[in-house]
Amino acid sequence: SQELEQSPQSLIVQEGKNLTINCTSSKTLYGLYWYKQKYGEGLIFLMMLQKGGEEKSHEKITAKLDEKKQQSSLHITASQPSHAGIYLCGADGRTSGSRLTFGEGTQLTVNP
Amino acid sequence: SQTIHQWPATLVQPVGSPLSLECTVEGTSNPNLYWYRQAAGRGLQLLFYSVGIGQISSEVPQNLSASRPQDRQFILSSKKLLLSDSGFYLCAWILKGANYYGYTFGSGTRLTVV
Repeated sequence: SQELEQSPQSLIVQEGKNLTINCTSSKTLYGLYWYKQKYGEGLIFLMMLQKGGEEKSHEKITAKLDEKKQQSSLHITASQPSHAGIYLCGADGRTSGSRLTFGEGTQLTVNP
Repeated sequence: SQTIHQWPATLVQPVGSPLSLECTVEGTSNPNLYWYRQAAGRGLQLLFYSVGIGQISSEVPQNLSASRPQDRQFILSSKKLLLSDSGFYLCAWILKGANYYGYTFGSGTRLTVV
């Protein structure tokens, strides 16, 4: 099965600071997904990466997948309190929509 | 447009009682459907997934079961709840071949077994 490790487990930053969350796989990633979750709510889809070296951005959030397709990073620029929540990376297999499994998540707190 | 519904939003059940959580998807057909459980607000554990009516794959052996009686309906059940079944249950769906748009999650059911 796909083992995903996220780091750090938790992160506290001051508003305006940049931050990076990492997601490492024990196997080659075919589909890597980033989600955000507010406590007690469903998951919000951020981005999906598929190709080695791929990079995507949405507003102040950038996600990258390394060339070897075993590590992904999520970078937030100039963090805001609205960025606070749990960030989860997920991966599925070669066949689209097979089994989506997740890392343990990173709890992000942004202090004003 | 496509939507996913989960109910109830919260549930408190005594140990040993049965459970039935329902998830329905609208606006699509033949989706893959998933049940996850999240404990302590951290990572999601995949419980069951289904690629079609009557087709269920179990990820974790436990006292839960799942069924898909209709194309867009996914049900999570238990005959007798345990304290360890408490958690946040999430349903998700994805259209086959459209993973580029991500898996869509319901708003979840918070289950407390007392």
